[in-house]
Parts: sequence; structure tokens; C-alpha cells
Amino acid sequence: RKEVEQDPGPFNVPEGATVAFNCTYSNSASQSFFWYRQDCRKEPKLLMSVYSSGNEDGRFTAQLNRASQYISLLIRDSKLSDSATYLCVVNSGGGADGLTFGKGTHLIIQP
Amino acid sequence: DGGITQSPKYLFRKEGQNVTLSCEQNLNHDAMYWYRQDPGQGLRLIYYSQIVNDFQKGDIAEGYSVSREKKESFPLTVTSAQKNPTAFYLCASSIDQGGYNEQFFGPGTRLTVL
Repeated sequence: RKEVEQDPGPFNVPEGATVAFNCTYSNSASQSFFWYRQDCRKEPKLLMSVYSSGNEDGRFTAQLNRASQYISLLIRDSKLSDSATYLCVVNSGGGADGLTFGKGTHLIIQP
Repeated sequence: DGGITQSPKYLFRKEGQNVTLSCEQNLNHDAMYWYRQDPGQGLRLIYYSQIVNDFQKGDIAEGYSVSREKKESFPLTVTSAQKNPTAFYLCASSIDQGGYNEQFFGPGTRLTVL
């Protein structure tokens, strides 16, 4: 099983601040990358797919660094509602059984 | 509204009993998946199916069984052979099996063995 590593946190961040966290993956052949958000005791929901050129969706920016084998998620102007666990998901190209979920990074936005 | 549903939301089982968790989707997705999530852990794949009447074992299939008789339905049975079944079970679907597309998750079933 290929590894996907995330800092579990928690990251305690004041409202309005910018926060970033990374996810490293071990398989250099990995082809697809995603960030999911999971609220406490809820199901994961897709936040962003991560493209080679990087992509931005409002306050969220995702980037891929293939040379160093990590993806990143940047959240600007953080809101209280951003408090959640962020899961990194990597597909190594082997189909459904090549999809590996990180354990998640817990983010707490403080008023 | 299209989506994926799971039932029940909470399930309590006595040791030695088999239980079946329901998963239904009306997204017309070909692929469906079952994951297990334990506290502080990542999702682990139990079984997946890319087409009706076909399914494959994931990383932790022992003690579980599935069926895919209809495209819309992918029930999971937790058998008495599963030694530590208490967990949060998540069903997901995607438009294809390749893993290149978003997976949509159901709301999950929390199973507790008493």
C-alpha cells in the first residue's frame, strides 16, 4: 500500500488568517490528487481536485509539486466554517484500489 | 436530487450477528465502494464494484461480503467473522472505476457491536 502522509494537527488558526498544509505521497507514479473536507461525524466531500498547473477556487488554492512529491492546500481569509478535517487523496493509477486516503489534518479556526 | 444514501445511520449489533448496511445511489454511477473509518484513521477500502454482478476485494475484505445485483445498490454485510466491526462505514460512488474522478460519499453508518 502506497503511503500518503499528513500532519494530523490540530492547526489552531485565528479567523481571517491564512493557513497552509501539505500532504506527501510516496509513489512517484501517482496521477490524480484531491483534497476532501470532512466535518465531525460526517462524510467526506470533495473540496478540490489538484491539477499539475495548480488551481484556485475562491479562498482555496491547491498546488502539486511532483519533484518533491507533495500537494498543498492554502486557505486565505479563514472563516469559522472552515473548521474541519482536510483529507488528502492520491490515486496511483491502479484503479479504485490505487486510491489512498491520508488520515487528515484537523483545522480549528478560532474567533 | 441525485445522491447517495445509506441506512441505517446508527446500528447496534450483538456479537455473533451478521448485519447488512444499505447503500443506494441515483447518480447513474458505474463504480461503487465501501470504506471503513476508525477514529483518527484514514479511510480503508473494503470492497469495490465497477459493474453489476462484479466486485473486487479491497485492503480489508476479511469478514465482509457484498453484492451488486443492481447498478443502484451495493449492500455490505458485516459477518460474525469480522473481529472488530465497530466503525464508521462509508459508501461511495464515482462515474468510473479508474479513480480519476470525484467520489461521492453517502452519510455513513455507525456500527457498534455490543
